[in-house]
Amino acid sequence: NAGVTQTPKFQVLKTGQSMTLQCAQDMNHEYMSWYRQDPGMGLRLIHYSVGAGITDQGEVPNGYNVSRSTTEDFPLRLLSAAPSQTSVYFCASSYRRQVTTNEKLFFGSGTQLSVL
Amino acid sequence: AQTVTQSQPEMSVQEAETVTLSCTYDTSESDYYLFWYKQPPSRQMILVIRQEAYKQQNATENRFSVNFQKAAKSFSLKISDSQLGDAAMYFCAYRRRRGGSQGNLIFGKGTKLSVKP
Repeated sequence: NAGVTQTPKFQVLKTGQSMTLQCAQDMNHEYMSWYRQDPGMGLRLIHYSVGAGITDQGEVPNGYNVSRSTTEDFPLRLLSAAPSQTSVYFCASSYRRQVTTNEKLFFGSGTQLSVL
Repeated sequence: AQTVTQSQPEMSVQEAETVTLSCTYDTSESDYYLFWYKQPPSRQMILVIRQEAYKQQNATENRFSVNFQKAAKSFSLKISDSQLGDAAMYFCAYRRRRGGSQGNLIFGKGTKLSVKP
């Protein structure tokens, strides 16, 4: 049971380049999300999904795209990277059940992205 | 919209002593979860403790306990017998219990805890 797997762990991009951050979970979680962490800002929600084929925007969605074609995968795409997107990115997942004793959110280990 | 505020950017505690980290939040909902997460230098997000808003009893997990004041919208974390391994960033977070966005966590900006030997 691998939990939430994020790849890559580190990435350096040039301004204008595109890339996809990968996130996969093997716990059959309906809910998946992406956060970015910036110094002094805590973690802020970028996009989230409550199931395959369903995505929605979070607090800071601009410059990012997501899709959810399978339950397991939730990739985050940067179409044209900008220095303001330099950050640590976290993927997280959980069960969506409303009544449960275990509402724990499982986090990946993060991706450190630098945009030059 | 819900907000979470951590008013202490940095805190310091002597090893074996007790420290309390503060967190306040704002919400119009009555049913929600509150969490404290620990982020060591490895940057892994580690759940320390959670509290269901409908429970009046404060949650405890070994050396970690919370003081949950629902009316005051306050959720502080107390670390007893502090250890060097407790040094980390601590984030307070809020999560709705119901609704389509129930999975979304709203984080405070964090408190950096240092532990002095």
